[in-house]
Amino acid sequence: KAGVTQTPRYLIKTRGQQVTLSCSPISGHRSVSWYQQTPGQGLQFLFEYFSETQRNKGNFPGRFSGRQFSNSRSEMNVSTLELGDSALYLCASSQDSGSYNEQFFGPGTRLTVL
Amino acid sequence: AQSVSQHNHHVILSEAASLELGCNYSYGGTVNLFWYVQYPGQHLQLLLKYFSGDPLVKGIKGFEAEFIKSKFSFNLRKPSVQWSDTAEYFCAVNDPGTASKLTFGTGTRLQVTL
Repeated sequence: KAGVTQTPRYLIKTRGQQVTLSCSPISGHRSVSWYQQTPGQGLQFLFEYFSETQRNKGNFPGRFSGRQFSNSRSEMNVSTLELGDSALYLCASSQDSGSYNEQFFGPGTRLTVL
Repeated sequence: AQSVSQHNHHVILSEAASLELGCNYSYGGTVNLFWYVQYPGQHLQLLLKYFSGDPLVKGIKGFEAEFIKSKFSFNLRKPSVQWSDTAEYFCAVNDPGTASKLTFGTGTRLQVTL
């Protein structure tokens, strides 16, 4: 079974631009969660989608948004990029929603904002 | 809000030494507890998890962790480390009422020398 895939793997943007990151979960998995990883803040939860609905949201500004499609693939969007948005963005998928389901992480998309 | 503390940021051990990495969490209610590992250049992967029952849980690669409710701790142990255990280790907690949201500690970088 193929693992979680994320595209693109690397991205360079400038302040004020917007960016869309994509995540394809493991086949059969219906829950997708997004995390931001930075050296200073560590891993922080952004949001979770399950059956095309946002189940939970972390403490991030409204510039961070996401969605999930009927095939469970998910995208996250960051508008009006700031320097502080530079980070590794990780996607994790699980069969169902809830912590009793093991989450499988992808390799991440490294976003650099100049 | 939940928080997770990992007091050891960087640990250096010789092969065959014993390992204990500390993890403390702040949430007083029922929690699910996890240890994840990130080997160099690889994805985050689950080492072990605790939901309920026997507070001593065994994971992959000879790792184990003990849940001590009175101390809000979930320390990771391994009797004898190998060079291949060099990685970053993350403790995480989940409030079962928050779907799949994981709150991570800042991580401990383990370096095992030959």
